[in-house]
Amino acid sequence: DAKTTQPTSMDCAEGRAANLPCNHSTISGNEYVYWYRQIHSQGPQYIIHGLKNNETNEMASLIITEDRKSSTLILPHATLRDTAVYYCIAVGAGNNRKLIWGLGTSLAVNP
Amino acid sequence: GAGVSQSPRYKVAKRGQDVALRCDPISGHVSLFWYQQALGQGPEFLTYFQNEAQLDKSGLPSDRFFAERPEGSVSTLKIQRTQQEDSAVYLCASSPRTVNQPQHFGDGTRLSIL
Repeated sequence: DAKTTQPTSMDCAEGRAANLPCNHSTISGNEYVYWYRQIHSQGPQYIIHGLKNNETNEMASLIITEDRKSSTLILPHATLRDTAVYYCIAVGAGNNRKLIWGLGTSLAVNP
Repeated sequence: GAGVSQSPRYKVAKRGQDVALRCDPISGHVSLFWYQQALGQGPEFLTYFQNEAQLDKSGLPSDRFFAERPEGSVSTLKIQRTQQEDSAVYLCASSPRTVNQPQHFGDGTRLSIL
């Protein structure tokens, strides 16, 4: 699975959009980009994933560059409850898909 | 809700004791994963089951760690002769058979070895 690189930490004002970048320059054609987040003392929570098209759900939007070497997770209106560590992971297709986690981005949403 | 359930939520044991951690996956989920998360780090893969078959145990750190899922649903992670470096949060995740489906995680068991 491809390695991903994320900034260590970011800040965002409450109510504003939070844009979290991720680099995955060695991603292969069959690897998906998955985003999870982990709020303190809880297990990781799935947010969204995509292959090459942009994706949107009730939680967030995922923008993947055309060359697939990077992506951005967008939380359109961040709230204090979005304060968490956000992980970007490249995941191959198939059932046996153990997740290889980095250190993620610690997002602080400030009032 | 019908999410992944892990018990106990917290476990304190003395060095040398054996511990058993339980995971109840989402009903019908074929795949089950165990991860270990040290403080300030991302989770690290331990082992993977498809139904009752343990297909990958490459992440288990030593032969003191043993996992089972005898009936293809509930899983137990056992650690024998615990050591201080075993202190961590142990996370369980499950996912359906269908490919390209996300893993759903429990809130983990925080294990402290004194």
